[in-house]
Amino acid sequence: DAKTTQPPSMDCAEGRAANLPCNHSTISGNEYVYWYRQIHSQGPQYIIHGLKNNETNEMASLIITEDRKSSTLILPHATLRDTAVYYCIVRVANTGNQFYFGTGTSLTVIP
Amino acid sequence: GAVVSQHPSWVICKSGTSVKIECRSLDFQATTMFWYRQFPKQSLMLMATSNEGSKATYEQGVEKDKFLINHASLTLSTLTVTSAHPEDSSFYICSARVDRGLTNEKLFFGSGTQLSVL
Repeated sequence: DAKTTQPPSMDCAEGRAANLPCNHSTISGNEYVYWYRQIHSQGPQYIIHGLKNNETNEMASLIITEDRKSSTLILPHATLRDTAVYYCIVRVANTGNQFYFGTGTSLTVIP
Repeated sequence: GAVVSQHPSWVICKSGTSVKIECRSLDFQATTMFWYRQFPKQSLMLMATSNEGSKATYEQGVEKDKFLINHASLTLSTLTVTSAHPEDSSFYICSARVDRGLTNEKLFFGSGTQLSVL
């Protein structure tokens, strides 16, 4: 079952940073935070994941609070192609456990 | 990243017929694959977990005789929607689990199959 809460929608100006929040107040110590996004009528795309340290890759940065009860996905310079639904998922990694998707945040990047 | 190929991209069928959807991992071996369905403007709903060489594990409320899953090899899983009806019309998405170390487990997705049952 989804263990995360995300705002249903957000807007972001093109070229600005998009900050997408996720609450996971019941997260366990061995659960990772994963972020995926889904562009309309396509399969979800992996973005980033982390346990407790902040993570950065070529797509985005993941900031996890010290108590791990929330996190923020940052797209540093949003483009129109970043318009998508963004899903935050928490799960125990490396166990074969399922990935359950919540309702996600629909991000619209505005020109 | 790993590539997951899903075919067909879309299919239209008559009510009562069966439809098979294929999911292949192209550049890695996937011992575990997952099948999801998605209705318009809704999130992905996990249908079943497919493990190579064993029976699939279905989520509660998903009919195993309706949605047949076969995972006979490490690179191929199939979902067959048997005796399809209009209410089975949906977007079906497969995914494969990639485990490249203790902290590097990820899920990669196919491009999805839009099924329309007339």
